[in-house]
Amino acid sequence: GESVGLHLPTLSVQEGDNSIINCAYSNSASDYFIWYKQESGKGPQFIIDIRSNMDKRQGQRVTVLLNKTVKHLSLQIAATQPGDSAVYFCAEQSGGYNKLIFGAGTRLAVHP
Amino acid sequence: GAVVSQHPSRVICKSGTSVKIECRSLDFQATTMFWYRQFPKQSLMLMATSNEGSKATYEQGVEKDKFLINHASLTLSTLTVTSAHPEDSSFYICSASGRAGYEQYFGPGTRLTVT
Repeated sequence: GESVGLHLPTLSVQEGDNSIINCAYSNSASDYFIWYKQESGKGPQFIIDIRSNMDKRQGQRVTVLLNKTVKHLSLQIAATQPGDSAVYFCAEQSGGYNKLIFGAGTRLAVHP
Repeated sequence: GAVVSQHPSRVICKSGTSVKIECRSLDFQATTMFWYRQFPKQSLMLMATSNEGSKATYEQGVEKDKFLINHASLTLSTLTVTSAHPEDSSFYICSASGRAGYEQYFGPGTRLTVT
């Protein structure tokens, strides 16, 4: 069935380093991908999105890369800060239908 | 813009009782609302999709008679957990999507504890 998975359940980085969070998806028909940040006890917060006709998109300190050949998505956070500590989820959507499928999540822990 | 609220943020109820959770889009009209359940240290699992004025579409394995969803207006959807049991204790999150489609805006979640 359709699934979105992550390679690493936990990622620990030093403050100031760059972080890379990876995600694999299985539905080749997915055409829209989103990264969310979730802090403890809160709802998901939109970070950045990318459509399947692109392979890279940049935001403020964040970059999302999409490799459709291997069905892989990554989130890069530059100069990681303590406030970036949270669980990060990738999600995929296909065909304009709004249903999102979430990956398992990666916990990012930023150490001073 | 695009703010979604949930009420209550936390609720504790006794086993066998029912509890209602509200999801409101505050500054846009939500043609579609989604309800998710999230257990500790797990991902969000979609429970159902509701379109304004029509019956909700439930995901496989979600009991529609236990989790009643109403989406009577473009700004409000409710989830009622009927005859709640301790295993229904979870974090319930709604999201809303406007007429533009694609992007979903998430609420802050409701922590349900059934004793």
